[in-house]
Amino acid sequence: EDQVTQSPEALRLQEGESSSLNCSYTVSGLRGLFWYRQDPGKGPEFLFTLYSAGEEKEKERLKATLTKKESFLHITAPKPEDSATYLCAVQGTQGGSEKLVFGKGTKLTVNP
Amino acid sequence: DTAVSQTPKYLVTQMGNDKSIKCEQNLGHDTMYWYKQDSKKFLKIMFSYNNKELIINETVPNRFSPKSPDKAHLNLHINSLELGDSAVYFCASSQGWGNQPQHFGDGTRLSIL
Repeated sequence: EDQVTQSPEALRLQEGESSSLNCSYTVSGLRGLFWYRQDPGKGPEFLFTLYSAGEEKEKERLKATLTKKESFLHITAPKPEDSATYLCAVQGTQGGSEKLVFGKGTKLTVNP
Repeated sequence: DTAVSQTPKYLVTQMGNDKSIKCEQNLGHDTMYWYKQDSKKFLKIMFSYNNKELIINETVPNRFSPKSPDKAHLNLHINSLELGDSAVYFCASSQGWGNQPQHFGDGTRLSIL
């Protein structure tokens, strides 16, 4: 069964203090790894898809990387508006390949 | 120009009642989903439809019945509501299946009294 574990559960940073969020996964053939951002009272907002080990994607202060066992979401010089819960999800190649399996998320708080 | 919209946003009802949640997407996608996010914020797939055909049906009580009248709509009907059904239900859509990103609505918060 596909599984996703995110760490830490919560992270508090000062504005400008760079850090990384971790997503460890086990999947029977990776079709894609997805990062989402979720604000309170809102649905997850799509950020990135990574398809194969070694791939990297960037968007503003966020950079996602992928290995065969984990993905990192690097946040460079974060701002208070980056505060949100960041969700990682995987899509495998076996049985119900449309299904996303989500981790429990990392709640990021960036203090001014 | 909301891409994936759900109604209602909040639903408060009593145990034993029957209720429906509606979802519409204007992205032109052909695949739609229902997810449940419980009190621990864990998001889990319930159902998926592609071109009005059911393609994912996770282990969900048969009190939950999805209905897709067309590619742009996926509704969720719940019979005989129980306390454990309290959660936030999210609708999502994507273009095709495979590794395409799914786009989510803002959720329906269901509270059972």
